Amino acid sequence: AQKVTQAQTEISVVEKEDVTLDCVYETRDTTYYLFWYKQPPSGELVFLIRRNSFDEQNEISGRYSWNFQKSTSSFNFTITASQVVDSAVYFCALSDFSRDDKIIFGKGTRLHILP
Amino acid sequence: GAVVSQHPSRVICKSGTSVKIECRSLDFQATTMFWYRQFPKQSLMLMATSNEGSKATYEQGVEKDKFLINHASLTLSTLTVTSAHPEDSSFYICSALGEYNEQFFGPGTRLTVL
Repeated sequence: AQKVTQAQTEISVVEKEDVTLDCVYETRDTTYYLFWYKQPPSGELVFLIRRNSFDEQNEISGRYSWNFQKSTSSFNFTITASQVVDSAVYFCALSDFSRDDKIIFGKGTRLHILP
Repeated sequence: GAVVSQHPSRVICKSGTSVKIECRSLDFQATTMFWYRQFPKQSLMLMATSNEGSKATYEQGVEKDKFLINHASLTLSTLTVTSAHPEDSSFYICSALGEYNEQFFGPGTRLTVL
């Protein structure tokens, strides 16, 4: 069965600190996509990254970086030098080819960046 | 990038009435669209897959007679919540499947049933 686990329900850090959001997934498929989305208070989902299962290279985009470890089925997300505008709910998600592109979302991690 | 819109963004209705939510892909055609529901402080749960020209596929536990989905064109899918009740109050989000199997999400519709 497919499953995405975000063990951290809520995290608070002081501005400028680094923070890592954990994501562990389960799937029987060898071909799948992993995602991270940001959901600010407005509710609109903001796409951050999609990574396919064949690409284990870590990704960096500005203050954001992602660590994909197939061996531990993890896809962790780090925000460096956090800012108040980073406060939001972050969802990790999984889509595998056997489920017709359906995305399964984790329960989300609510991130509070304190000024 | 691909844009998906939803209308209305917010709706308040009385219990027992029906509400229609539209999901449009503005600059691309989408054979497949998805409907999600998100209760407060919870995750997005897939309700159904909407396929243009055919019947929607509903996830387990979702009543197809209560949540009517029509995907009449390659740019429009509609979700109608029939005989809405307060427990149907939620944030409804649609997504459209792009050319490279990317899902583009709409901004969501907040439904409040009084």
